[in-house]
Amino acid sequence: DTGVSQDPRHKITKRGQNVTFRCDPISEHNRLYWYRQTLGQGPEFLTYFQNEAQLEKSRLLSDRFSAERPKGSFSTLEIQRTEQGDSAMYLCASSLGGTAYTTDTQYFGPGTRLTVL
Amino acid sequence: AQSVSQHNHHVILSEAASLELGCNYSYGGTVNLFWYVQYPGQHLQLLLKYFSGDPLVKGIKGFEAEFIKSKFSFNLRKPSVQWSDTAEYFCAVNAASGTYKYIFGTGTRLKVLA
Repeated sequence: DTGVSQDPRHKITKRGQNVTFRCDPISEHNRLYWYRQTLGQGPEFLTYFQNEAQLEKSRLLSDRFSAERPKGSFSTLEIQRTEQGDSAMYLCASSLGGTAYTTDTQYFGPGTRLTVL
Repeated sequence: AQSVSQHNHHVILSEAASLELGCNYSYGGTVNLFWYVQYPGQHLQLLLKYFSGDPLVKGIKGFEAEFIKSKFSFNLRKPSVQWSDTAEYFCAVNAASGTYKYIFGTGTRLKVLA
């Protein structure tokens, strides 16, 4: 069991630069979530994929953020024109679920810590 | 809007003490409830979850939680904590239908003194 992996683990960038993070879910998992976590807070939902379809996005996800999951396997989260307020831990989670709103168990990755200077 | 409140931000206990961490949620419909734990240096992992049936649910490592619908609460309990329970605990909720969004509380940092 390789678990959920995320790359890179740490990213330091300058304000205004674009960054892209990758998430590799557990291989048979059809569901994939992205969260953002800032210091002293719990994870905040950003977006959800069921296979390759992005079925839900948070209003937190501004037009500078985009996520993809081509072929329903790995996913990428891109932030364009980064701002200091984007500094956070970005978490990915995957799960195995049906098409209904079921209580799947999410398996979290280690996260990517982004620092915007 | 849905929200989750965890009132205890930091808890310090001695080994063998009993634990109860509060979690209250705000949502008018049917919900699913979760407790996740993050041990130092590790990923978030599921402790237990409730979606229907017996409101008292048991999870891993001797933890349990009780769903009290009238109080919108889902408190986590353990009768006797161990040093290895030192971790951060997050309560989470999602609506049983209409959204895939999970809402997490701000977390409770538990420190157990040996």
